[in-house]
Amino acid sequence: EADIYQTPRYLVIGTGKKITLECSQTMGHDKMYWYQQDPGMELHLIHYSYGVNSTEKGDLSSESTVSRIRTEHFPLTLESARPSHTSQYLCASSELWGTADNEQFFGPGTRLTVL
Amino acid sequence: GENVEQHPSTLSVQEGDSAVIKCTYSDSASNYFPWYKQELGKGPQLIIDIRSNVGEKKDQRIAVTLNKTAKHFSLHITETQPEDSAVYFCAAIGGVSGAGSYQLTFGKGTKLSVIP
Repeated sequence: EADIYQTPRYLVIGTGKKITLECSQTMGHDKMYWYQQDPGMELHLIHYSYGVNSTEKGDLSSESTVSRIRTEHFPLTLESARPSHTSQYLCASSELWGTADNEQFFGPGTRLTVL
Repeated sequence: GENVEQHPSTLSVQEGDSAVIKCTYSDSASNYFPWYKQELGKGPQLIIDIRSNVGEKKDQRIAVTLNKTAKHFSLHITETQPEDSAVYFCAAIGGVSGAGSYQLTFGKGTKLSVIP
């Protein structure tokens, strides 16, 4: 069982609200990721981080922002939520250095619905 | 960058039958190919992986094969059980990005249903 946690698991909010999705891992992993998973199952990388004070944009453009002040914590923020942000958000982590085959450990996800 | 194609998108099999999911990749430099299983309400979890210096790998009822020349790899599940029902993702290392780290590129997923 991976030690990576996401809160909340489910969130229903109104348009225009600011929200923060929390992600924490206790494995000491340097690299962390945020994926957006659409109803068709596909995983889209939206943000990643190599370590503290590092944030990078992923393959899919996103209006969300992330921060990495502590190794174990990688929150994602939407300043003004819209219905188009409705999706499943998955956080993951992996070791940074070493071989290329670094397993990614995923959290259980946050299902966000914006009304 | 790397591009991973996965087929089929949905697959239904009778319990006890075999299931095969196929993926192709574009970057000939890719050398690591993991498979993830995502159960309902959970995040994906690694179930098996294969490196480019190996042609086949088995773990109980699960096996993965790799053909580097053709740039495709496959997941084989034998004697399927209802608990195998899930979404399966293939992935490949998509080349080097900054700080010596590598990015995984995922296929679009296959929803496997095992019918009792």
